[in-house]
Amino acid sequence: DVVLTQTPSILSATIGQSVSISCRSSQSLLDSDGNTYLYWFLQRPGQSPQRLIYLVSNLGSGVPNRFSGSGSGTDFTLKISGVEAEDLGVYYCMQATHAPRTFGGGTKLELK
Amino acid sequence: QIQLVQSGPELKKPGESVKISCKASGYTFTNYGMYWVKQAPGQGLQYMGWINTETGKPTYADDFKGRFVFFLETSASTAYLQINNLKNEDMATYFCARSWGFDYWGQGVMVTVSS
Repeated sequence: DVVLTQTPSILSATIGQSVSISCRSSQSLLDSDGNTYLYWFLQRPGQSPQRLIYLVSNLGSGVPNRFSGSGSGTDFTLKISGVEAEDLGVYYCMQATHAPRTFGGGTKLELK
Repeated sequence: QIQLVQSGPELKKPGESVKISCKASGYTFTNYGMYWVKQAPGQGLQYMGWINTETGKPTYADDFKGRFVFFLETSASTAYLQINNLKNEDMATYFCARSWGFDYWGQGVMVTVSS
């Protein structure tokens, strides 16, 4: 199975600070159809996950544009340009290029 | 609006079975696959598999072959997860999620297994 390694595991930030989360894959996530099936989710405390980013860099419906995704092949990044209080929670990357789908271990974003 | 509403929390004994529902609304049920995700207490997300809502064909991740069953009641736009012969390690919250892109999620069902 594809292993997704997220760093850091815990991220402390102040409101307004810009932060980045890395997701590295054990295999290239570029599919033979030309797409890269890498997604980012946020799980706020006590809630179900919410999709933020799909296909590496596409913003999900209703997701604020302070979130952005980038990367290719095996290295991917989620950036938050100006953390807000509602952004606190655990972030997960997920790949759907290779079966079975796998998730990263998560990055907890907390207030400094 | 699009919603996935799951059934309520469950308390079961080891060896029993549990059936969890995921009722979809706001879209054509058979146009999107339904996926299942497990989250053990304090842990991350684990992919369980999915069911083709058009054909009813389930596909299970390796860790979920045998005791886990995905099935549908298409007339009610509802997907089900049944877990047979419950074990302590099945204690978790189970989420349904719509489509290849996991664009909508249910609220999750907490299953407690305790003798």
